[in-house]
Parts: sequence; structure tokens; C-alpha cells
Amino acid sequence: GAGVSQSPSNKVTEKGKDVELRCDPISGHTALYWYRQSLGQGLEFLIYFQGNSAPDKSGLPSDRFSAERTGGSVSTLTIQRTQQEDSAVYLCASSPQTLPYNEQFFGPGTRLTVL
Amino acid sequence: AQSVTQPDIHITVSEGASLELRCNYSYGATPYLFWYVQSPGQGLQLLLKYFSGDTLVQGIKGFEAEFKRSQSSFNLRKPSVHWSDAAEYFCAVTRGSGAGSYQLTFGKGTKLSVIP
Repeated sequence: GAGVSQSPSNKVTEKGKDVELRCDPISGHTALYWYRQSLGQGLEFLIYFQGNSAPDKSGLPSDRFSAERTGGSVSTLTIQRTQQEDSAVYLCASSPQTLPYNEQFFGPGTRLTVL
Repeated sequence: AQSVTQPDIHITVSEGASLELRCNYSYGATPYLFWYVQSPGQGLQLLLKYFSGDTLVQGIKGFEAEFKRSQSSFNLRKPSVHWSDAAEYFCAVTRGSGAGSYQLTFGKGTKLSVIP
């Protein structure tokens, strides 16, 4: 079956613009995660969705970042008024469930460059 | 808070040589430990994981790792490296249960170069 897919693979934007990053998890996976991979900070957890529960947004770095998950499947990460420090690779992962712990399957990522 | 340290930023080995990548974690209880590999332009692929039981775990691609509680370490090993193993390797930890148990905390990664 298909793995986690993300689009676009690359995104170049100008400072101050809004961007939307998309994640299609593996079919049937109820848990979805967003991580950010940057040179200075390494891999950081951003947000987690599990079924119909309220998402855990504790990793979002500022209120310019938001995410939603429609119909328990596709997720969109939105960054408003992008800044140069937002430049990073944004990784999405999904897993069948969280407890007991299940392996997180990662997508290829979206490389965001803010000019 | 949990943390992961990978002391080696970059390691270069010759093809056929043995490999050990170091990982130290900080966590009060028994953690769940993972090693992921990332090839250029690719997502993260799970190599192996430790939850409990036998402290020596086998993974894919001939990798193994040993959990040593006394040293808070989870080092990754491979007896004979292949050129295709060149990639970046990440150690990660999460708590076994409770709030935030799904959040992976990653080390900064170790980049492996392989000399033919």
C-alpha cells in the first residue's frame, strides 16, 4: 500500500506570505503527527491528532502555526505570515494508534524556504 | 523532560568496517527507544526499537542496538558497513505511557559517510 505522502515536496515563498502544507496519511491510520526538521533545532514535534480527540498543539512554535485534520484523514499545516526562521523540512507521520505504542511512519517531507 | 544526545555529528568509515553510533538519553523511567535512518530527500525509516525485554534488539538492514540502563545508552551497531548505509541516523526516545507518550524526542543526528 501507499505510504505517507506530502505535498508539495518543495515550497519557496516570500517573507510574510501564508503557506499550506498537506499530508495524506496511510489509509486506516488514526494518529497523525507533524514534525519540523531544521538545521539549528533538529527534529521537533509540532502537533498530534488522534481520531476525533482534541489535537495536542503543544509543539507549535507560535500562533502563526495551525493545523487541521479533515474527516480523520488528510491534514493541512498552515503557516501564516512566514518568517525566514520558518525555513525547514516539515515531516508528517502516521500510525495505526498510539497506545500501545505503534511505529510512526514518516512521509518524505516538504522543504519550505522563506526568502 | 526527556532528551537525547548523539555525540558524533559526522562519522566516516570504510566499506566493510564495523560501525557503532552512540546515543545517550535522559529520562527518569524506562523509555521507549528508537533508531531511524534518513537518506537524502527521504523521510525517516525505522531501523529498530526497544520497549522492554531483551536489551539487544535486532533491526532491519543488519543493524542491532543494545540498551544499557546503567549507562543511559542505546548504541547502534553494524558488523560490516555497506556503501548504501551512508545516510543520517537519528536516535529517538518517548515515554512508555502517560501524557505525551506519542511524542518522539530526537537527537541531532549522526551523518554517516562510507568510503568505498
